[in-house]
Amino acid sequence: ELKVEQNPLFLSMQEGKNYTIYCNYSTTSDRLYWYRQDPGKSLESLFVLLSNGAVKQEGRLMASLDTKARLSTLHITAAVHDLSATYFCAVVLNDMRFGAGTRLTVKP
Amino acid sequence: DSGVTQTPKHLITATGQRVTLRCSPRSGDLSVYWYQQSLDQGLQFLIQYYNGEERAKGNILERFSAQQFPDLHSELNLSSLELGDSALYFCASSVGVAPYEQYFGPGTRLTVT
Repeated sequence: ELKVEQNPLFLSMQEGKNYTIYCNYSTTSDRLYWYRQDPGKSLESLFVLLSNGAVKQEGRLMASLDTKARLSTLHITAAVHDLSATYFCAVVLNDMRFGAGTRLTVKP
Repeated sequence: DSGVTQTPKHLITATGQRVTLRCSPRSGDLSVYWYQQSLDQGLQFLIQYYNGEERAKGNILERFSAQQFPDLHSELNLSSLELGDSALYFCASSVGVAPYEQYFGPGTRLTVT
């Protein structure tokens, strides 16, 4: 069965600092997604990673995929308060399986 | 705005009752997915319909059922409700049968008292 593990589950950062969220999955998958969710809101797609070595960047967020290690990372550069949200990775096999989410809080 | 609509936004009901949640996919999307998000279980895939047919099933309880109508809107029926069914229920849609590029609706928050 496909398992998706994220860590850390909670992350409190100072503004301006860098950090990385990790997403491990247990079986080979077609593709991997990163989503953002604000409290009480829906999920917003951030990135889709399709192949080994894929790297995508949008603003202060950069996602990468290592299919051999079954690992994706979401790197945050020079965090700002607006990045405070919960970030989910999701892996597709026969359906979409989500990690538990990383609740990120960026403090001034 | 993803283009996926869900009604109602909030629903409060009592244990043992039955409710229906409604979802309209984005224009042109043939697949509809239902997810449950709760504090203890996280975000879980329930079921997928593609062009009116059930396509994939996840952790959906027997008390729950869904269908997709000819106009492609979908309904999720929850019956014999328990306190533990309180959650955010999301609908998502995508163009094809594969669960790629899903667009999520705003969700229905169900509270069972």
